[in-house]
Amino acid sequence: GEDVEQSLFLSVREGDSSVINCTYTDSSSTYLYWYKQEPGAGLQLLTYIFSNMDMKQDQRLTVLLNKKDKHLSLRIADTQTGDSAIYFCAESETGRRALTFGSGTRLQVQP
Amino acid sequence: GAGVSQSPSNKVTEKGKDVELRCDPISGHTALYWYRQSLGQGLEFLIYFQGNSAPDKSGLPSDRFSAERTGGSVSTLTIQRTQQEDSAVYLCASSLVGAALHFGNGTRLTVT
Repeated sequence: GEDVEQSLFLSVREGDSSVINCTYTDSSSTYLYWYKQEPGAGLQLLTYIFSNMDMKQDQRLTVLLNKKDKHLSLRIADTQTGDSAIYFCAESETGRRALTFGSGTRLQVQP
Repeated sequence: GAGVSQSPSNKVTEKGKDVELRCDPISGHTALYWYRQSLGQGLEFLIYFQGNSAPDKSGLPSDRFSAERTGGSVSTLTIQRTQQEDSAVYLCASSLVGAALHFGNGTRLTVT
């Protein structure tokens, strides 16, 4: 079946760049998503990338997709303490109705 | 409201009791999803509704779990005879067809 994996924890200093990585197994993935979850809240969509793209930039966020290696990354430039949260990678496939989520990466930003 | 609304936000129940969790999706969103998030875990898909189609119940963990969606809008997730392993955050999401999911803040269920 489909599988999405992420490292559990990342710690960076304020102002540095953060890179959160994700690997997936489903070669039929159509869209890949990054969601952010702050304490006590639901998941907030940050950005997404279509599988025929290899890069997408949105302000401080850069998504890189290596479809050959089934590797997705989220880079956050100039990381702020407000970026501290859990980041989930998710993938979807045309014809499959539910997203498959990774277990989330907890990002800790130290002042 | 503008977002997905879930109630209650917290629920504590005794083992063996039934619980109902409610989700109000974003108006106009035809797709509705329930996910479960256990402590330190990712999101586990439970059930999906799309318009008038038969729901995809493939993620429901046991026959104690059921969900309905009345009038294509509000959904209720029911857990019968709750067990301690049911303790988790239950997240609801809605979307337009083929679009990104918008999540509610979840219901934190604690079974004592």
